Amino acid sequence: ILNVEQSPQSLHVQEGDSTNFTCSFPSSNFYALHWYRWETAKSPEALFVMTLNGDEKKKGRISATLNTKEGYSYLYIKGSQPEDSATYLCAFSNYGGSQGNLIFGKGTKLSVKP
Amino acid sequence: DSGVTQTPKHLITATGQRVTLRCSPRSGDLSVYWYQQSLDQGLQFLIHYYNGEERAKGNILERFSAQQFPDLHSELNLSSLELGDSALYFCASSFGLAGVGDTQYFGPGTRLTVL
Repeated sequence: ILNVEQSPQSLHVQEGDSTNFTCSFPSSNFYALHWYRWETAKSPEALFVMTLNGDEKKKGRISATLNTKEGYSYLYIKGSQPEDSATYLCAFSNYGGSQGNLIFGKGTKLSVKP
Repeated sequence: DSGVTQTPKHLITATGQRVTLRCSPRSGDLSVYWYQQSLDQGLQFLIHYYNGEERAKGNILERFSAQQFPDLHSELNLSSLELGDSALYFCASSFGLAGVGDTQYFGPGTRLTVL
């Protein structure tokens, strides 16, 4: 059974703090790693898709890195704002056990206090 | 707005009944995916269709079935419903295959409650 682990489960930060969370996945036969932002009462919104070891992506104050050899990805938020409060999901796929389908972690719930 | 539409938004039904959830992908997208989000569970992949053909099956029960029509919209049929089927059902679409790196866009979801 393939597992995607996200840590921490939840995080409370003050407005202006920078923060980061981790997504760990099996490193063999890697295809792709996706990050999503999921606000309460809305649907998951795609942030990044990364496929190459060493990939770095950035969108405004949010960035992500990928290490496929050791099986982890980091998501960074610089200068957190209350509107960044959401659950951040990662999902990975490989051509082994996942058969190319996305397997999701349970997410990191971020709360940013003004 | 992702461009993926799902109907209905909410559905309340009784055990033993059958329901159909509908999804229209973003214009131009060929892939449609169905996911289930239950309490305390992550998003569980159910099934994937690509250009009308079933591409992959995940943890989909035998009581559930789906299809993708020539106009690329998809329907998920849930039958002999049980209390445990109560969940949020998401549809997502992508142009190609999300598993090899295409961005996947989620619809607003259908909240199913089985009483």
